[in-house]
Amino acid sequence: DQQVKQNSPSLSVQEGRISILNCDYTNSMFDYFLWYKKYPAEGPTFLISISSIKDKNEDGRFTVFLNKSAKHLSLHIVPSQPGDSAVYFCAATAWGDKLIFGTGTRLQVFP
Amino acid sequence: DAGVIQSPRHEVTEMGQEVTLRCKPISGHNSLFWYRQTMMRGLELLIYFNNNVPIDDSGMPEDRFSAKMPNASFSTLKIQPSEPRDSAVYFCASSLAKVADHEQYFGPGTRLTVT
Repeated sequence: DQQVKQNSPSLSVQEGRISILNCDYTNSMFDYFLWYKKYPAEGPTFLISISSIKDKNEDGRFTVFLNKSAKHLSLHIVPSQPGDSAVYFCAATAWGDKLIFGTGTRLQVFP
Repeated sequence: DAGVIQSPRHEVTEMGQEVTLRCKPISGHNSLFWYRQTMMRGLELLIYFNNNVPIDDSGMPEDRFSAKMPNASFSTLKIQPSEPRDSAVYFCASSLAKVADHEQYFGPGTRLTVT
């Protein structure tokens, strides 16, 4: 069973608009969440994270929102750029234990 | 720093053959992770080491899979015998800390195809 779910396998957004990637989780013990970005033929790279004591974390164009009651987090990219086209993985951990990853969402930003 | 190095980048083998994937972590990192990426399950942790000692191998699919870390700069993931369902991209990652909320640095991956 998938403890971390990314239900949208793909997303297409126009350059300059907002991209919103969603992630749901089932384990209420998760206390830290991360987003990784992956380009083709490369390994994932860390993008942004959030602790369960917060509901928002911002880093430049990237903002992650956490809704603990809904067990939902989202990654907002504003404005979206063609270079943001990649696969985005959501991940979660409980008490520093191993990371549990979702299946990924492929984002395509078109001109 | 060269980052995490994996070899080979691509491996094509026939069912029943032994496959060995290799990883060199970032110097100074004391945790190493092996992941498998598939369309259906995304990134799955297979096993991780801390200070060369296996800590959690609960993700290893079955006895056909084994991993070793003989020293701080080298690890292998072996599949014997390989099966077509093992076809996937295998990633190695390293980290400065054991805890998962510390950033992990991934290698470029090995794409394994078993025919």
